[in-house]
Amino acid sequence: EPEVTQTPSHQVTQMGQEVILRCVPISNHLYFYWYRQILGQKVEFLVSFYNNEISEKSEIFDDQFSVERPDGSNFTLKIRSTKLEDSAMYFCASTVSRGRRLNTEAFFGQGTRLTVV
Amino acid sequence: AQTVTQSQPEMSVQEAETVTLSCTYDTSESDYYLFWYKQPPSRQMILVIRQEAYKQQNATENRFSVNFQKAAKSFSLKISDSQLGDAAMYFCAYRSAMGKIIFGKGTRLHILP
Repeated sequence: EPEVTQTPSHQVTQMGQEVILRCVPISNHLYFYWYRQILGQKVEFLVSFYNNEISEKSEIFDDQFSVERPDGSNFTLKIRSTKLEDSAMYFCASTVSRGRRLNTEAFFGQGTRLTVV
Repeated sequence: AQTVTQSQPEMSVQEAETVTLSCTYDTSESDYYLFWYKQPPSRQMILVIRQEAYKQQNATENRFSVNFQKAAKSFSLKISDSQLGDAAMYFCAYRSAMGKIIFGKGTRLHILP
């Protein structure tokens, strides 16, 4: 069964450092998302990406964050200068369609646990 | 803006019994999807069940079923014959026409042996 894969599963970084979280969405999916879950809290939407550009972003997704699809398979989230409060589980998700063709759910990766020290 | 509310932070149920988790949402859209996701201690997000807003029939997946009340904007999850492996955090989620998924705060379900 196809799945979304994320690497690494756990990353520890020093405050102020840049991190890149990587995701490989399901191959025929067109829409990609990043979500964040701070420990003990709800899952929060960060950004959605379609056709090589951001289609929607939340207020959390400030200038410290960026996303990229550097090749045909990877989808990355970069945090330029990490802060302690960026420590969270980051989930990548992908889906085939949106809008009136909402015929599938979003498939989530297993998450990357980011710890900023 | 759409919102999803889960009013039960924690619930417990005896093994083999039935439990219902509540969820309400708010939206002005007519076309959307609703989901229940399960998050075990591994923290992976696992889809349990989904409901298309245009369908009146309640979705069912084995021991899991929903009670979808569109007018009331209510979407509860019923777990029958609860098993120890059902213990997890359960998130109710709404998918907007733009594809973004909005999650509730979750309900932690404990299964008592």
